Amino acid sequence: KNQVEQSPQSLIILEGKNCTLQCNYTVSPFSNLRWYKQDTGRGPVSLTIMTFSENTKSNGRYTATLDADTKQSSLHITASQLSDSASYICVVRISSGSARQLTFGSGTQLTVLP
Amino acid sequence: DAGITQSPRHKVTETGTPVTLRCHQTENHRYMYWYRQDPGHGLRLIHYSYGVKDTDKGEVSDGYSVSRSKTEDFLLTLESATSSQTSVYFCAISETGENSPLHFGNGTRLTVT
Repeated sequence: KNQVEQSPQSLIILEGKNCTLQCNYTVSPFSNLRWYKQDTGRGPVSLTIMTFSENTKSNGRYTATLDADTKQSSLHITASQLSDSASYICVVRISSGSARQLTFGSGTQLTVLP
Repeated sequence: DAGITQSPRHKVTETGTPVTLRCHQTENHRYMYWYRQDPGHGLRLIHYSYGVKDTDKGEVSDGYSVSRSKTEDFLLTLESATSSQTSVYFCAISETGENSPLHFGNGTRLTVT
C-alpha cells in the first residue's frame, strides 16, 4: 500500500530557531515529491516539487531534501518566523500517468512561539 | 493566490438532503480536483476532471458526483448527504497532471447533522 508518513506529528519551536520536518514514503514507482504549507482555515500552498534526480530544492527559508534510495525527504526551515506556524504536508506522486496518483501525508503541525 | 473561489465557504445541512459545492477558477487550467480533509487523514481525492465533461473517480468517490460543463467551473454534488460526509472540502487546479503544482482554494466546511 502506498503510504506517506510524516514526523513529528506536531512541533513547537521559538522564533528564530531552525527546525527539520521528516517525510518517509513507500510510494512506488516514484515520480515526484512535494511539500505544501497549510495555514489554519486556508488551502495548502505549494513550497517545492522535487523529481527523482533532485536532491535539494530551496524556496526562501525553506529547503527540501530528497533521498530517493531510502525514500526519505526532509523540510528544513531556517530562522523561523511566527508566520511559519502552519501544517506542513508531504505529498508523493506515483508515476502512472493518472492525475489521481497523489498520496498525501497527514502533516506536521508547527507552532512558532515568540 | 491562484484565482480559485469555492462557494459556499460554510454550510450546515441535514442528513438526506442534496448539497452542491462550487469551484470556480480564472486560471484556465485543464485539471480540477475535489479533495476532502479530515482530522488524522491526509487529503483524499474524491473526483477530478481533465477537461470539460471529462471526469474520473478518486479514492473516496462513493456518495459523490461531479460535473464540469465549462473550463472554469467544477461542481461537487452530494446526492443525499450523510454524517460521514461532514468534512472540509478543497478544490484544486493544475496546469498539467504530472509535475505542475496543485493550487488550492480555501475550502468549504460542510457539516451534516
